[in-house]
Amino acid sequence: SQQGEEDPQALSIQEGENATMNCSYKTSINNLQWYRQNSGRGLVHLILIRSNEREKHSGRLRVTLDTSKKSSSLLITASRAADTASYFCATVPIYNQGGKLIFGQGTELSVKP
Amino acid sequence: AAGVIQSPRHLIKEKRETATLKCYPISRHDTVYWYQQGPGQDPQFLISFYEKMQSDKGSIPDRFSAQQFSDYHSELNMSSLELGDSALYFCASSLGRGSEKLFFGSGTQLSVL
Repeated sequence: SQQGEEDPQALSIQEGENATMNCSYKTSINNLQWYRQNSGRGLVHLILIRSNEREKHSGRLRVTLDTSKKSSSLLITASRAADTASYFCATVPIYNQGGKLIFGQGTELSVKP
Repeated sequence: AAGVIQSPRHLIKEKRETATLKCYPISRHDTVYWYQQGPGQDPQFLISFYEKMQSDKGSIPDRFSAQQFSDYHSELNMSSLELGDSALYFCASSLGRGSEKLFFGSGTQLSVL
């Protein structure tokens, strides 16, 4: 991976359970974003957290950011079968003015009905 | 509103052939990014353009070239294709080079036989 590592690489849970995915990165960042990808499809932006923020919520999503540990977590509460997808974190390094995203390796989430 | 459009959706080529992938950004978006995602891998940044000029360059092989045209659409040209070039190629667009949010297309699945 160019930047981050994610764990777990794969996660299988039952519908209604919570899913937590973690991401670590290497360089100082401007912001960190989470994306979702259904199998073989495009990446969909879920949520963005800036380097001066510690926690952010959006619907059933909760993201935390710890810049001292260079890590972030994504929590999906009350999961649904439709949440089955791969989830990637992506960072915008602080030195990068071009806006490009650097992706981590992704967590494959399977939610069983 | 229409999203980022990529064509073709699927492409099959033989080794040593050439391929051209096209990307049509969201209306008024002036920045385009290209990513390559191998099977089970995270998306890797290739190259980006802002206002028709190359903005940033990542791990793009010398066999690949890209440009952004006056209507802001972009093309990724790939020559002397190798088996390892088989991947999902994503295009993303944004309004402004430093924009926080990228909008991704559905990708072009390239298979090199």
